Amino acid sequence: DTGVSQDPRHKITKRGQNVTFRCDPISEHNRLYWYRQTLGQGPEFLTYFQNEAQLEKSRLLSDRFSAERPKGSFSTLEIQRTEQGDSAMYLCASSYGQAFWTRGDTQYFGPGTRLTVL
Amino acid sequence: AQKITQTQPGMFVQEKEAVTLDCTYDTSDPSYGLFWYKQPSSGEMIFLIYQGSYDQQNATEGRYSLNFQKARKSANLVISASQLGDSAMYFCAMREGRETSGSRLTFGEGTQLTVNP
Repeated sequence: DTGVSQDPRHKITKRGQNVTFRCDPISEHNRLYWYRQTLGQGPEFLTYFQNEAQLEKSRLLSDRFSAERPKGSFSTLEIQRTEQGDSAMYLCASSYGQAFWTRGDTQYFGPGTRLTVL
Repeated sequence: AQKITQTQPGMFVQEKEAVTLDCTYDTSDPSYGLFWYKQPSSGEMIFLIYQGSYDQQNATEGRYSLNFQKARKSANLVISASQLGDSAMYFCAMREGRETSGSRLTFGEGTQLTVNP
């Protein structure tokens, strides 16, 4: 079984630059989630897709953030004009609702992309 | 108000002993799910165990069990026979609404567990 993968694993950028992260979910999963985790805190929800439709966005997702999931497969998260406050771990998770073997719509996480904004 | 509260920032346990990590939650939704995840220093969130709000029995997965007390709104994780590899950050999380809808997880602040040899 291939789990959730994320690329890159680490990204260092200068303030004001744009960055894009990619997430490949578990192949049969129809739901994809993005979270952000800062040091010493639990993950915070950013946005959620079911297939290609973006169904929910957090207030944390400012205008500088955009996420896509074309064709309902992989997803990208772009941050424009990065700020130092964007430094965090960005986690992607996927799930397959309505399947008996994923009770509770369990979300499985990728390894994360650690972003450092200088 | 905090939806998920983990009151133990750090816990220590001797190898081979059992340990309980506390979690309380707050929701008015009758349908919800409670999850525990483990996050080692490598950073990846690893799913451990799930409890649905309508489940009659406490969930168990190997050495992990969930002490679900619905009236008290608590969902404590019990790890039996602790191993050195159990040293990690542990997060309690909640999904509100029916599982068929898909929904965000709300996480607590975590408990850092250290297993001593």
